[in-house]
Amino acid sequence: LAKTTQPISMDSYEGQEVNITCSHNNIATNDYITWYQQFPSQGPRFIIQGYKTKVTNEVASLFIPADRKSSTLSLPRVSLSDTAVYYCLVGGGNAGNMLTFGGGTRLMVKP
Amino acid sequence: DSGVTQTPKHLITATGQRVTLRCSPRSGDLSVYWYQQSLDQGLQFLIQYYNGEERAKGNILERFSAQQFPDLHSELNLSSLELGDSALYFCASSVEQGPSYEQYFGPGTRLTVT
Repeated sequence: LAKTTQPISMDSYEGQEVNITCSHNNIATNDYITWYQQFPSQGPRFIIQGYKTKVTNEVASLFIPADRKSSTLSLPRVSLSDTAVYYCLVGGGNAGNMLTFGGGTRLMVKP
Repeated sequence: DSGVTQTPKHLITATGQRVTLRCSPRSGDLSVYWYQQSLDQGLQFLIQYYNGEERAKGNILERFSAQQFPDLHSELNLSSLELGDSALYFCASSVEQGPSYEQYFGPGTRLTVT
């Protein structure tokens, strides 16, 4: 069962790059790593997903080292509207696999 | 708007009671997931269904049960409610059952047990 840990909170300033790391030492061979963003009183929203190496989309990058025991979400040039809680989700690789969320990282972007 | 709908939005009930939470997935999505979010436990995966069949089980209590109907909507039944069951309950859907498919979350049902 993947135990997933993240920093509780991070502060940044507008325009900076933010990197949030998630540790998942017990990740299973077929598990995927997905990152979600959540605003207060809303459901989580998909940001990016990967299995290994690097994935990039229009809003973020995801770096996964070869051993896959951690992953790093990179948000380029954050703005005030990126203030939210970010969760990593690990699992689902095989039928019956648990899905495990990290505890969430509260990102505060300051002007 | 994710396309996933959940009813009711809020629910207040007493200990010992039973409630049913309902979820309608996005059009075309076959897989439904249920999650519980509380202040002390964070986001916890409860259960997953795919095209009417249970596919994966997480930290779901025996007092809780779920099902997915032929029209693909899903219901989460919570019985013998305790104060600690107060939480936000989210439903999510994806087009297929595998982990590589993006999950779309509904707005949640806030359950308060008094």
